[in-house]
Amino acid sequence: DQQVKQNSPSLSVQEGRISILNCDYTNSMFDYFLWYKKYPAEGPTFLISISSIKDKNEDGRFTVFLNKSAKHLSLHIVPSQPGDSAVYFCALNAGNMLTFGGGTRLMVKP
Amino acid sequence: NAGVTQTPKFQVLKTGQSMTLQCAQDMNHEYMSWYRQDPGMGLRLIHYSVGAGITDQGEVPNGYNVSRSTTEDFPLRLLSAAPSQTSVYFCASSYWTSSDEQFFGPGTRLTVL
Repeated sequence: DQQVKQNSPSLSVQEGRISILNCDYTNSMFDYFLWYKKYPAEGPTFLISISSIKDKNEDGRFTVFLNKSAKHLSLHIVPSQPGDSAVYFCALNAGNMLTFGGGTRLMVKP
Repeated sequence: NAGVTQTPKFQVLKTGQSMTLQCAQDMNHEYMSWYRQDPGMGLRLIHYSVGAGITDQGEVPNGYNVSRSTTEDFPLRLLSAAPSQTSVYFCASSYWTSSDEQFFGPGTRLTVL
């Protein structure tokens, strides 16, 4: 049974608009939440994170929101740029292990 | 700094063969890990290490062995390759724990026939 789900395999957004990527989880033991971005034929790169004691963290165009009661994590990108086109993974931490979602492919159209 | 390096980039094996995927980092990171990525399944943790001499199993450890004799190196061994191990393998490292920013290598694409 998947503990972490990204229910949208893909998302298409116009340049300059907001991109919202979502992640749902079932395990209440997760204590730290991260987002990674991946381009084809490269390893993932870290984007932004949030601890379980916060509900929002912002870094430039990227904001992560955490709703613990709903067990829901989201990443907002504003404004979206063509260079943001990539696969985005949420990654949730418990103990010394990360559990990744299946990924969402974001396409930002010029 | 070279960051996290992985060799080889591509490998084709026959069922039953063994091989070692190499991973090295030059950032003096304590935490290192191996993931496999399969289509639509994200990355799944195979094994991890919190420091030299210490390793532990992740989500999908069967068929794989690891060792951590130095801080820099964390090789992944496939003892008897199976077609189900066809995947892209990523090594990653971070300063102390899995919740720190992890730096990933470029990956090894493995095909088992």
